[in-house]
Amino acid sequence: EIVLTQSPGTLSLSPGERATLSCRASQSVSSRYLAWYRQKPGQAPRLLIYGVSSRAPDTPDRFTGSGSGTDFTLTISNLEPEDFAVYYCQQYGSSLYTFGQGTSLEIK
Amino acid sequence: EVQLVESGGGLIQPGGSLRLSCAASGFSVSDKYMNWVRQAPGKGLEWVSILYSAESTDHADSVRGRFTISRDISKNTVYLQMSRLRVEDTAIYYCARDLASRGNYQNYGMDVWGQGTTVIVSS
Repeated sequence: EIVLTQSPGTLSLSPGERATLSCRASQSVSSRYLAWYRQKPGQAPRLLIYGVSSRAPDTPDRFTGSGSGTDFTLTISNLEPEDFAVYYCQQYGSSLYTFGQGTSLEIK
Repeated sequence: EVQLVESGGGLIQPGGSLRLSCAASGFSVSDKYMNWVRQAPGKGLEWVSILYSAESTDHADSVRGRFTISRDISKNTVYLQMSRLRVEDTAIYYCARDLASRGNYQNYGMDVWGQGTTVIVSS
């Protein structure tokens, strides 16, 4: 099973700033099978990025995914109020999914 | 409109059984792989099960042998049959549509989610 470790656990920033979220895998992950989600309190997760860098429909272009192998990054530029939430990376491999433990992006 | 609506959650005693339902609209559950994902109170997301076809499924180690995912194409509904429930199975259970489908493995991920149904296992 591939373990995903996200860092930092909590990130405190102000609206308008840039956020950089990291996701590190215990083994190499297929680039086609790495995704990012945002979850607001009381809501279901929402797919933001799939295939490392492809934006899901309705994902604003301030969200950028990058990386390969075992190191992946979600960058959010020009933070807006709705971006303050919890973010999860996810991978699919060997017929199962795993999620990272999440990064909480909070308003400073 | 593409939508998933879960139901069937509730309070159940340890060792009991429960069946969750996920009614889909706007697409056919036979056209996409389907998943169940859960979230324990105050915790992160945990993948539970995936349905590739009626004959092909997979489950997380934590539920294998106790949970079964299935579907009824005529009702366009996916189910999660849960048995021998444990306190640690307490969670919100989400149904989620996969990006992948039979013959299309270009990407995996979950692009449509339901609102979730809550399962509480407690005596």
